[in-house]
Amino acid sequence: DAGVIQSPRHEVTEMGQEVTLRCKPISGHDYLFWYRQTMMRGLELLIYFNNNVPIDDSGMPEDRFSAKMPNASFSTLKIQPSEPRDSAVYFCASSSDYSNQPQHFGDGTRLSIL
Amino acid sequence: SQKIEQNSEALNIQEGKTATLTCNYTNYSPAYLQWYRQDPGRGPVFLLLIRENEKEKRKERLKVTFDTTLKQSLFHITASQPADSATYLCALGTGTASKLTFGTGTRLQVTL
Repeated sequence: DAGVIQSPRHEVTEMGQEVTLRCKPISGHDYLFWYRQTMMRGLELLIYFNNNVPIDDSGMPEDRFSAKMPNASFSTLKIQPSEPRDSAVYFCASSSDYSNQPQHFGDGTRLSIL
Repeated sequence: SQKIEQNSEALNIQEGKTATLTCNYTNYSPAYLQWYRQDPGRGPVFLLLIRENEKEKRKERLKVTFDTTLKQSLFHITASQPADSATYLCALGTGTASKLTFGTGTRLQVTL
């Protein structure tokens, strides 16, 4: 079975540019999560969706960040405008709609903002 | 404030020994706790889940304990191998919403 697929794997762009990260969750999973990982702060939850509806976006750092899930097989995380402090690895994960289920992670997008 | 603490120092052990990693938490009432393994350049991979009413869980060479009085989970790898070298993350779940809060991880290095 295909796992969670993220694209691109690496993104290098200049400050001020718009960045769009993409995620395809595992088919049949009802939850989708976006995380950011840095050395200083570890793995932080940004936002998560249930059945394509955003449930908790309290981790989104500021208005420059937005996430959408137009259908069950696709989600985007957008940063506009990007800043150097947004440099991190961004992970997408999905899980099934049962209590206590493990999350399945993609291999992340390494984002560098110059 | 809520806090999840894992030893930020790398743990170096010799092959064949038992590795023990610690996860401490404050100001949480977790319903369950999960452990994940992360290799460089990869996403975390689920290993084990333990619920608040369970004291211990085992899977092959892995063992997890959960003490809600001490607010601590211990993760053991017996007969460790160089292939066990990775960063190990604990994550707390507080309800049925599937939302997890992760610790910062402990890097394990197993040497020959």
